[in-house]
Amino acid sequence: QKEVEQNSGPLSVPEGAIASLNCTYSDRGSQSFFWYRQYSGKSPELIMSIYSNGDKEDGRFTAQLNKASQYVSLLIRDSQPSDSATYLCAVNRPPGENTPLVFGKGTRLSVIA
Amino acid sequence: GAVVSQHPSWVICKSGTSVKIECRSLDFQATTMFWYRQFPKQSLMLMATSNEGSKATYEQGVEKDKFLINHASLTLSTLTVTSAHPEDSSFYICTPPKDLAGDNEQYFGPGTRLTVT
Repeated sequence: QKEVEQNSGPLSVPEGAIASLNCTYSDRGSQSFFWYRQYSGKSPELIMSIYSNGDKEDGRFTAQLNKASQYVSLLIRDSQPSDSATYLCAVNRPPGENTPLVFGKGTRLSVIA
Repeated sequence: GAVVSQHPSWVICKSGTSVKIECRSLDFQATTMFWYRQFPKQSLMLMATSNEGSKATYEQGVEKDKFLINHASLTLSTLTVTSAHPEDSSFYICTPPKDLAGDNEQYFGPGTRLTVT
């Protein structure tokens, strides 16, 4: 069973703090890893993608990938109330790279002003 | 790149009727399209993959006779929910494989919210 696991939360952080979101996946063959932000009633919005081990930074967001541990994380620095949403971790379904995604159930983040 | 539009954006229908959802590629040729659905308070799940000029492939547990997918052209893929029931109420989203996007990223379109009464 190919699975993506996330803590459902809610994760509450004060405004300005760092929010840390974690995700594990079961299929070692996955090659593409994504974090999406989804507001209630809206379609998922791509936040970050990462394809190789290590860190990838984009503004306030940093994605971390550790393929040996089958672990992906997302750090949000200087969290803002507007960051309050559900964050979905997704990995591609092997084999190959341009394949459908398997999603975790999402972590609800609440940033308290 | 790889912008898709869906129509309608939301629809309410009565139980037993059929609903067609259109997914159009606006700036690329969609040889393949993935269809996902998201039930309330759940995550996205792949329903099926449509390919232009051939039959769609369905995920285990998805009834192909109920969810009719037609990939009629390189710009249009449709999902028809036949004999809809309240349990089919969901958010339906189409998206192409990421290699069709100019920047090779996996984006999702606006989706269609279906409510069956």
